[in-house]
Amino acid sequence: DQQVKQNSPSLSVQEGRISILNCDYTNSMFDYFLWYKKYPAEGPTFLISISSIKDKNEDGRFTVFLNKSAKHLSLHIVPSQPGDSAVYFCAANTGGFKTIFGAGTRLFVKA
Amino acid sequence: SQTIHQWPATLVQPVGSPLSLECTVEGTSNPNLYWYRQAAGRGLQLLFYSVGIGQISSEVPQNLSASRPQDRQFILSSKKLLLSDSGFYLCAWTRPPVNEQFFGPGTRLTVL
Repeated sequence: DQQVKQNSPSLSVQEGRISILNCDYTNSMFDYFLWYKKYPAEGPTFLISISSIKDKNEDGRFTVFLNKSAKHLSLHIVPSQPGDSAVYFCAANTGGFKTIFGAGTRLFVKA
Repeated sequence: SQTIHQWPATLVQPVGSPLSLECTVEGTSNPNLYWYRQAAGRGLQLLFYSVGIGQISSEVPQNLSASRPQDRQFILSSKKLLLSDSGFYLCAWTRPPVNEQFFGPGTRLTVL
């Protein structure tokens, strides 16, 4: 049962343009949604989160949008940089012990 | 500040051999600790989590086990490795209330 889905396995974007990474979920009880970034052979690093009571959270070049009616969230990176090339995981939790991760989207930012 | 350590970084083991991966956290007390596995081209699969010393919850029935002998130490073990145990193993701790997870550097395990 995939409660968190990232349907795009990869995305390619030109440097300086916007990257939009998408995520869908099925469990309406999730309290928090999170995005992580992962480079090869390293552990994921936490990027940004959003509470289910909000619809937008911004941190520098990263903005997460939450559309609860559509059970959809997205991560916007503006402007995209070559160093942003990595795998991005969407995740969600109910404020408890377990976090559900999506399968990840590999972002390529071309110089 | 908090740091999380994992070792070894890489490991090559024959099928049927035992396994012990260690994870330690510094700079925080009574953390929730987690073991994840990322198989090639796949997402993160939660294997075990622990909310305190000696308290282990298993998410996936398999030939792996976990133990938490000390507050900031989490160990992943197996008595006999299978080929399917190959993967990238990650330890993590969480910080409430958002429970964002902070991951260690990972261990690349190859079972031959």
